[in-house]
Amino acid sequence: GESVGLHLPTLSVQEGDNSIINCAYSNSASDYFIWYKQESGKGPQFIIDIRSNMDKRQGQRVTVLLNKTVKHLSLQIAATQPGDSAVYFCAENIGGTASKLTFGTGTRLQVTL
Amino acid sequence: ETGVTQTPRHLVMGMTNKKSLKCEQHLGHNAMYWYKQSAKKPLELMFVYSLEERVENNSVPSRFSPECPNSSHLFLHLHTLQPEDSALYLCASSQDTVSNQPQHFGDGTRLSIL
Repeated sequence: GESVGLHLPTLSVQEGDNSIINCAYSNSASDYFIWYKQESGKGPQFIIDIRSNMDKRQGQRVTVLLNKTVKHLSLQIAATQPGDSAVYFCAENIGGTASKLTFGTGTRLQVTL
Repeated sequence: ETGVTQTPRHLVMGMTNKKSLKCEQHLGHNAMYWYKQSAKKPLELMFVYSLEERVENNSVPSRFSPECPNSSHLFLHLHTLQPEDSALYLCASSQDTVSNQPQHFGDGTRLSIL
C-alpha cells in the first residue's frame, strides 16, 4: 500500500550545524506535504508546507525540498539550536482529500552541545 | 501559544468509567479532527467534522463517541474503554476539509486506562 516513511529514526546533530531530515512517500497522487515538530508533552506544531507545483520553499531557518521524481521530501534546519530537539513528522495530503493526512512515524532530532 | 486547547491534559480512568475529552479551537476554522497517537506508531485519524457534521469515521469502536456542537468545540465521549486505548488523543482543526491548508493541533490528552 501507499505510505509515508522516514529514513532515520534518530538524528544527532551538533549545535550550530545544519540538520537534514528525510521523508519518502509512495503515493504519486499526493499534492501537498507538511512538516510538523513535536516536542515532549506537546502536540505536533506546524513548521512548513509545500505544494506539489513547487520544489523548494523556505521559512525562518527551515527549508523544505520536494523531489517528485524520486518521491522524496526533506526538511533542512539551518544553525540547529537546542530548542530544535524534537520529533519531526512529515505528512502527505492526497489530492482532493484535505481532511486526510498520512503521517510518518517521525524522526527524533537530538541536538548536542 | 496554541490556538487549539484540549482538556484535561491527563486522564486516568477505569474500564467501566465514562469520561469526556474536550477540544476548543480559537482559529475560526470549520473542520475539526480527533487523532490517536500511540508509541512508535503514526498518528491515526479517528474522526473528522466539517461544519459540525461528521464526514469521516475511520472504523473507530463505538466506545468512542464524538460530538461537535458547533465549529469551535469538539468532544470525545469515552465509555467502557480497554487498556489498549491508553494513548495520547490529539485534536486538530483546519480551515476546511477541501483546501490544502495545514491542520493545527492541540497538546493532547494523555489517557491511561487502568
